[in-house]
Formats: sequence, C-alpha cells, structure tokens
Amino acid sequence: DTGVSQNPRHKITKRGQNVTFRCDPISEHNRLYWYRQTLGQGPEFLTYFQNEAQLEKSRLLSDRFSAERPKGSFSTLEIQRTEQGDSAMYLCASSLQGLSTEAFFGQGTRLTVV
Amino acid sequence: DAKTTQPPSMDCAEGRAANLPCNHSTISGNEYVYWYRQIHSQGPQYIIHGLKNNETNEMASLIITEDRKSSTLILPHATLRDTAVYYCIVRVAGETSGSRLTFGEGTQLTVNP
Repeated sequence: DTGVSQNPRHKITKRGQNVTFRCDPISEHNRLYWYRQTLGQGPEFLTYFQNEAQLEKSRLLSDRFSAERPKGSFSTLEIQRTEQGDSAMYLCASSLQGLSTEAFFGQGTRLTVV
Repeated sequence: DAKTTQPPSMDCAEGRAANLPCNHSTISGNEYVYWYRQIHSQGPQYIIHGLKNNETNEMASLIITEDRKSSTLILPHATLRDTAVYYCIVRVAGETSGSRLTFGEGTQLTVNP
C-alpha cells in the first residue's frame, strides 16, 4: 500500500463549473477526513467519515459542497457552481479508529478557479 | 480542543538539534499532543504524539512538561530536508470522538547549510 492517494493532483476550472475530487485511503483505515488549505494557512477540517457514514461536517462545508463514501472505501468531494474563493488545496486523510491513532494525509488536489 | 501557540518561524543550522516549542496551557487531561509537519506543496506528515510521557521515534523526540502546559519537539540532527512548517496540535482522543485535527499556523523551520 502506497498511502493515501488523491486524484487529480491539479484542477483548473472556470467559475460556475462543478468539480469532483477522489480520495483512496489506506486500505484498512475506516476513518476518512477532508480538509481544505489556503495559501499561508494551516489545513481546515471540512468533514469526516467512519466507514460509509458521514459523522461530522464543518460549517465551512457550504451546501455547494458534498462528500460521499459509498462503500466505506474511496471518497469523493464535489463542489458545485465553483467560486473563486474555492481555490485551495483539498487534502484527504485516513486513520484507524482508536484512542490515539495518527492520520495519514494524501498529497492533495490543488484547485484553481478562474 | 485546546489552543496551541507556536513561534511563527525558527532557523537551525544543518546537523544541529532543532528544538520547536509549543504552548498549550489549556490542555485537558484527555487531550494528546500531536506534531505534524508540512513540506512545501505536500500533504502534512505525522511525526509523533504523546499524552504525558516523553516519546521518541525514528524521526523526533517529544518532551512534555510535567504540568502538560507546554511541549518541545526535538529533531536531533536537522537536515535541509527538515525545512517545513511544523504544527503542534492537541486533540481529544477516544474511540467515539471525531478525531479531527485543528491546525494553527505552525512554525516555519528553516534549516540552513
């Protein structure tokens, strides 16, 4: 297993278009997280899944954002009607469930909305 | 989750130890201290975590004060590849907790030749 995989690595889209990103976690990890990071800031939590259940969503996750993890394995993050303010790095992480388990991050998808 | 305070930047000479401080004076008894780092344009990388006792792994050592209000991450022999933003995070850990990580702005460590 090579770790958390995210695709695509880069995406340029026009304002108003929809985009979808994919995350493949480490295979035995049942927790999956999405974060967003803008330039010069630390990552900000968006949402998290335990298996296929979406258990927590940040207020940052507006109604234009939707995340799914249909079979408890890979996850997708869709942004509808993109805005320039959506330009950021979108990071996915996965972990095991447990008392003190570390999360492993992917390399991220860099979104540029023009 | 408790708030953390870190210096915005630090410099270190290659081959010397890098000591990165973190204050977390409002930490609760069930909160762990985690350290991650992020090299430019990459995802964050886990380094180490601890609850009360000092911890050491192949990457670093974590020293937590007895009152748990501060900690220090030590990179014993810094290399140029250790140049990164280092994040100190405190997090409630539990079987049913969400386990989100709340990142601050971190410390930009620059290792100089």
